[in-house]
Amino acid sequence: DADVTQTPRNRITKTGKRIMLECSQTKGHDRMYWYRQDPGLGLRLIYYSFDVKDINKGEISDGYSVSRQAQAKFSLSLESAIPNQTALYFCATSDSATAGNTIYFGEGSWLTVV
Amino acid sequence: AQRVTQPEKLLSVFKGAPVELKCNYSYSGSPELFWYVQYSRQRLQLLLRHISRESIKGFTADLNKGETSFHLKKPFAQEEDSAMYYCALSGVSGGYNKLIFGAGTRLAVHP
Repeated sequence: DADVTQTPRNRITKTGKRIMLECSQTKGHDRMYWYRQDPGLGLRLIYYSFDVKDINKGEISDGYSVSRQAQAKFSLSLESAIPNQTALYFCATSDSATAGNTIYFGEGSWLTVV
Repeated sequence: AQRVTQPEKLLSVFKGAPVELKCNYSYSGSPELFWYVQYSRQRLQLLLRHISRESIKGFTADLNKGETSFHLKKPFAQEEDSAMYYCALSGVSGGYNKLIFGAGTRLAVHP
């Protein structure tokens, strides 16, 4: 399902560098999310946005910021990357107009901080 | 507090054996429960939802409110079922409806 697209798919960056992960969707969904996946910890919610003017912190927002540039775009930034932010990051979307809360995921972005 | 617990990190079975991936939840209201699956090097995708009461790829899951469980079952495992499985709960928190995931269980089906 290429409706939720993440760039870059893989990135290695140095400690202290700023890195941005971008997400765009063609599903027309109003809600967008950023999750982080770590082995043994599952998926943890970083930030979520229920519309363009709505930004909310998730479980683990420290060290991250987001921008909802348009309904279809939601970017995640690490202002000063640190090694424990090495993880697989997923963008996701959902549609508030649809019964239930099915979330559709992007393919993930592997980020390594060295 | 809302919580999803998957007690097994790894479940290893032989092909043709029955499979049960456990999921317990904590939620004060009426939850919506989901199972998501992630095959190797692929994105997470929805496997099934409790409100649909459907069977997908031979998997079923029944919501047991008394035991606060939503275990995923399949009578005869196949090698292609090997994947990470995540149980998720959709509930209201802070005025918003959010999806909370368990830590996941890796299912390994051996020939």
